[in-house]
Amino acid sequence: AQKITQTQPGMFVQEKEAVTLDCTYDTSDPSYGLFWYKQPSSGEMIFLIYQGSYDQQNATEGRYSLNFQKARKSANLVISASQLGDSAMYFCAMRVLYGGATNKLIFGTGTLLAVQP
Amino acid sequence: EAGVAQSPRYKIIEKRQSVAFWCNPISGHATLYWYQQILGQGPKLLIQFQNNGVVDDSQLPKDRFSAERLKGVDSTLKIQPAKLEDSAVYLCASSLVGSRPLYFGAGTRLSVL
Repeated sequence: AQKITQTQPGMFVQEKEAVTLDCTYDTSDPSYGLFWYKQPSSGEMIFLIYQGSYDQQNATEGRYSLNFQKARKSANLVISASQLGDSAMYFCAMRVLYGGATNKLIFGTGTLLAVQP
Repeated sequence: EAGVAQSPRYKIIEKRQSVAFWCNPISGHATLYWYQQILGQGPKLLIQFQNNGVVDDSQLPKDRFSAERLKGVDSTLKIQPAKLEDSAVYLCASSLVGSRPLYFGAGTRLSVL
């Protein structure tokens, strides 16, 4: 079964420090994509970063990087130099093929990050 | 570039009433999705359109939910009649065909009393 697991319901981090949000996934499909989205209290889901299963290097986007360990089926998000505006819910998601349709995302349950001054 | 537009932002109804949500995707995005996000959970796909055709509606409760995407642009999701367990945020998203990221709207927060 295809599944995303986020085991950290909530986390605290001090401003300017780095934080790692955990994500593990399960799929038998050799081709898949992993995403991280940020959901602030306003409710909109904001795309942060993407990692393809065949990508050789870990993805980076500004202060966000994805620590992709394929053998362990993990795709952790690292946020460097945390800012107060990073306080939000973070979702890990996986793109799956379903009945020939692509780009269906399945989501984990999310991690609520609180950045403290 | 304008993002995904959704309306209304908030809706409160009583059970057994009907409600409709509207979504206008990013211009040029052929694929449109409706997700349901219950409090404390991740979003769950209800229905996926490619242009004006349905690609996946396997998790749509078809006895009460319906959706359409006329002319392959904007879309409407309807619930009739609503139940208490339909209280959730309804998120619309769009993407280019074959493109990787989905781009989401701000969502409609529905409360069924």
